Amino acid sequence: AQSVTQLDSHVSVSEGTPVLLRCNYSSSYSPSLFWYVQHPNKGLQLLLKYTSAATLVKGINGFEAEFKKSETSFHLTKPSAHMSDAAEYFCVVSGSWDSKIIFGSGTRLSIRP
Amino acid sequence: DTGVSQDPRHKITKRGQNVTFRCDPISEHNRLYWYRQTLGQGPEFLTYFQNEAQLEKSRLLSDRFSAERPKGSFSTLEIQRTEQGDSAMYLCASINNWGSGGEETQYFGPGTRLLVL
Repeated sequence: AQSVTQLDSHVSVSEGTPVLLRCNYSSSYSPSLFWYVQHPNKGLQLLLKYTSAATLVKGINGFEAEFKKSETSFHLTKPSAHMSDAAEYFCVVSGSWDSKIIFGSGTRLSIRP
Repeated sequence: DTGVSQDPRHKITKRGQNVTFRCDPISEHNRLYWYRQTLGQGPEFLTYFQNEAQLEKSRLLSDRFSAERPKGSFSTLEIQRTEQGDSAMYLCASINNWGSGGEETQYFGPGTRLLVL
């Protein structure tokens, strides 16, 4: 069985400071891991994905995530937050043949001016 | 715009009425997924199709829910005798899956927001 836990329901940072959104996963086999972003009244957009290649994955808009098997983590980071980053972020795990994906409960990112 | 479209974008209905949503996936994608997202939660899997075959249904999908993908292209999700608890965002996603085991990116539509009064 697979599951994913997002450790923070809400994160607030000041513009220009680093962002860290935490995600831990559980999977009985080698997973694929994704981060999606959802802006208000907009669809889910893929930020980045890990599929057993390089453990440090770079995505769009300056985001990146590091797969750490020993810690079963896939935290999302960005060096410098921008006001446009304010949104809901979802960590997602997949890996079975049916490509069914499991979403975390989401982390709402707020950016203070 | 991901290339996946959903119609309508918003639906308000009275309890007990039937509603139907449509999803048009990216044309070459063979798999189509339906999810439901309630306020403050991540999307939850409802069902998926490979071409026209419905391969799995979540226990969240009660008997009042039915989904079809008659020609392996667009899909419809119907809710009969709607209840207030059905109020949610209904999302559709599609992928090309040729057995590579979960690495594919799912492309999501904008969703249909349902409000049952």
